[in-house]
Amino acid sequence: AQTVTQSQPEMSVQEAETVTLSCTYDTSENNYYLFWYKQPPSRQMILVIRQEAYKQQNATENRFSVNFQKAAKSFSLKISDSQLGDTAMYFCAFGTFTSGTYKYIFGTGTRLKVLA
Amino acid sequence: EADIYQTPRYLVIGTGKKITLECSQTMGHDKMYWYQQDPGMELHLIHYSYGVNSTEKGDLSSESTVSRIRTEHFPLTLESARPSHTSQYLCASSKGSGNTIYFGEGSWLTVV
Repeated sequence: AQTVTQSQPEMSVQEAETVTLSCTYDTSENNYYLFWYKQPPSRQMILVIRQEAYKQQNATENRFSVNFQKAAKSFSLKISDSQLGDTAMYFCAFGTFTSGTYKYIFGTGTRLKVLA
Repeated sequence: EADIYQTPRYLVIGTGKKITLECSQTMGHDKMYWYQQDPGMELHLIHYSYGVNSTEKGDLSSESTVSRIRTEHFPLTLESARPSHTSQYLCASSKGSGNTIYFGEGSWLTVV
């Protein structure tokens, strides 16, 4: 079975500090995509960053970067210079073909609180 | 922001009523999805569609039904609402394979 595990239900970080959210996954597929999504309280879920599994270079988007370790099936998200607006639920996900259909599988989420 | 819209955003309805949650996207995406999410919890896929007249049940069993008569529209219907249906329902869409999945703002359903 394909799974995504986020082992940190809740985290907090001081404003301007750096925080890393963990994500591991399990799949027998070789081609897939990995995502981090952010869901602010009562607001729309939006994409933070996306990584193609065939690319060795880690994706970066401004203050957000990932540490993709394919062999270890690990995909952590690093947020630098944390801001109050980063407070949200963060979901790790991967998308892949399985049984002839394309599916996105989400982790259980990490609630991040940025402290002033 | 993504061009995917859900209505109503919030709904309180009595047990036994029929409800339809609307979802529309203007991005021309072929794939659409419905997820169920309890507050602060994980997402569960309940329905998906890969195109017009194509619908499939997701990983979580649901008493709801969906239809996909037009590419841009993917409504979800509950024929007889029950308190156990109280949850947030997220509509999403994507194009092709491996691409970003975009979410609507969600519909919060409370059945009393």
